[in-house]
Amino acid sequence: EVQLVESGGGLVQPGGSLRLSCAVSGFTFSTYWMHWVRQAPGKGLVWVSRINSDGSATSYADSVRGRFTLSRDNTKNTVYLQMNNLRAEDTAIYYCARHGSGNHFDYWGQGTLVTVSS
Amino acid sequence: DVVLTQSPLSLPVTLGQPASISCRSSQSLVYSDGNTYLSWFQQRPGQSPRRLIYKVSNRDSRVPDRFSGSGSGTDFTLKISRVETEDVGVYYCFQGTHWPPYTFGQGTKLEIK
Repeated sequence: EVQLVESGGGLVQPGGSLRLSCAVSGFTFSTYWMHWVRQAPGKGLVWVSRINSDGSATSYADSVRGRFTLSRDNTKNTVYLQMNNLRAEDTAIYYCARHGSGNHFDYWGQGTLVTVSS
Repeated sequence: DVVLTQSPLSLPVTLGQPASISCRSSQSLVYSDGNTYLSWFQQRPGQSPRRLIYKVSNRDSRVPDRFSGSGSGTDFTLKISRVETEDVGVYYCFQGTHWPPYTFGQGTKLEIK
């Protein structure tokens, strides 16, 4: 069974940092790209970042570029989103999602809530 | 960036009646490999998004056949042939052709009238 489990969310002050993790099981992790998508309270889905299968290439939304860093450890079947210099507008549920060849977001995690507030 | 515009944004439907959601793209979504990477997602209240349709018209496994997708180029449609209670939620179109960034539509909230 394919599973994606996010963790690491919580309450952080503006300017602070958090590292989110997405641990996966049930499929060959090293052959899939992985993405993070976020959803602010009561709002729609917004793509945040993606990483290719071996971790050699990443892409970011303009709103997070330079503050967020996506990485992965294929030996631990886990992808990490390091979030620095957090702002109030980063408050959202963060979902990780799987991306196979031409097959976007067929599985999602349950999400982890990040709240940026003083 | 590709902008996806959904309509309507709110969709009250009577149980057992059909429903239709439009998604229009600011650019053609045909990729260089000939595929069109337009998907539809359903998000029920309090749940994670779930993919219903990929590459315009391919239904995911365990998705009821009352859901169907169609369209080409810049105009796409998600249809529900007979709305059921479990269909309540927000529906998003998504494009994976022109990236980064990948983009979603604003969402259409389906409710039972």
